Amino acid sequence: AQSVSQHNHHVILSEAASLELGCNYSYGGTVNLFWYVQYPGQHLQLLLKYFSGDPLVKGIKGFEAEFIKSKFSFNLRKPSVQWSDTAEYFCAVNPSTSGTYKYIFGTGTRLKVLA
Amino acid sequence: EPEVTQTPSHQVTQMGQEVILRCVPISNHLYFYWYRQILGQKVEFLVSFYNNEISEKSEIFDDQFSVERPDGSNFTLKIRSTKLEDSAMYFCASSPFYGYEQYFGPGTRLTVT
Repeated sequence: AQSVSQHNHHVILSEAASLELGCNYSYGGTVNLFWYVQYPGQHLQLLLKYFSGDPLVKGIKGFEAEFIKSKFSFNLRKPSVQWSDTAEYFCAVNPSTSGTYKYIFGTGTRLKVLA
Repeated sequence: EPEVTQTPSHQVTQMGQEVILRCVPISNHLYFYWYRQILGQKVEFLVSFYNNEISEKSEIFDDQFSVERPDGSNFTLKIRSTKLEDSAMYFCASSPFYGYEQYFGPGTRLTVT
C-alpha cells in the first residue's frame, strides 16, 4: 500500500539551529510532492511543492526540500530556524501516475523552536 | 489572498444524528476534496469531487457519507448517522486543476458523544 513516513514526530531546536525533517514514501511511479505547515490554530499552508525538474525546491520562509528519487525521499531543510517556525509540518504525496487525486499524508512532525 | 473557509469550526453532535459540514472553496477552483484527521493520527483522504460528481473516494467514505455542491459556492459533507469513531477534524480543500496543489480550509472539529 502507498504510504508516507515522517520519522521525526517531535523536534525541539534552539533559534538559529539548522533543521532537517525526513519524509519517505512508498510508491514506484511518478509522484508530486508537497510540504505543508500548520501553525497553532491555523489551517494547512503550502510551504513548497515538487512536480518535476530541479530536485532542489525552494519554498516560502527560507525552506527548501530535496527530492532524491533513488531514496524515495523528500526531506525538508532550513539553515537557521526562528521561533516563529514553531508549527506542525506535514509531508504529502500525490501518486500522479496512478491517476489519483488524493494526497497521502505523513503523520506530521511537531517542531518547537526555543527562543 | 483567497482562502477556503469552513463552518462551523466546532460541531458537537449525538451518536446517530446527521451532520452537515460546510465549505466554501476558492471561487475559480474546479476540484474539491474532503480529508479527516482523527486525533493523533494521519490526515486521511475521504473523497474528491469534480464536475458535480465524485471522482474518487476512499474506503472510509461509505454509504453514511455524501457530498454535494448545492450551489455555485458551497461544498458540503454529510454524515447520515454519526458514530463515535467519526469524531475527527474534517478538512475541505480545493484546487484549480487536476494535479495542482490543494488549498486547505481551517477544518471543522466534529465531536460525537
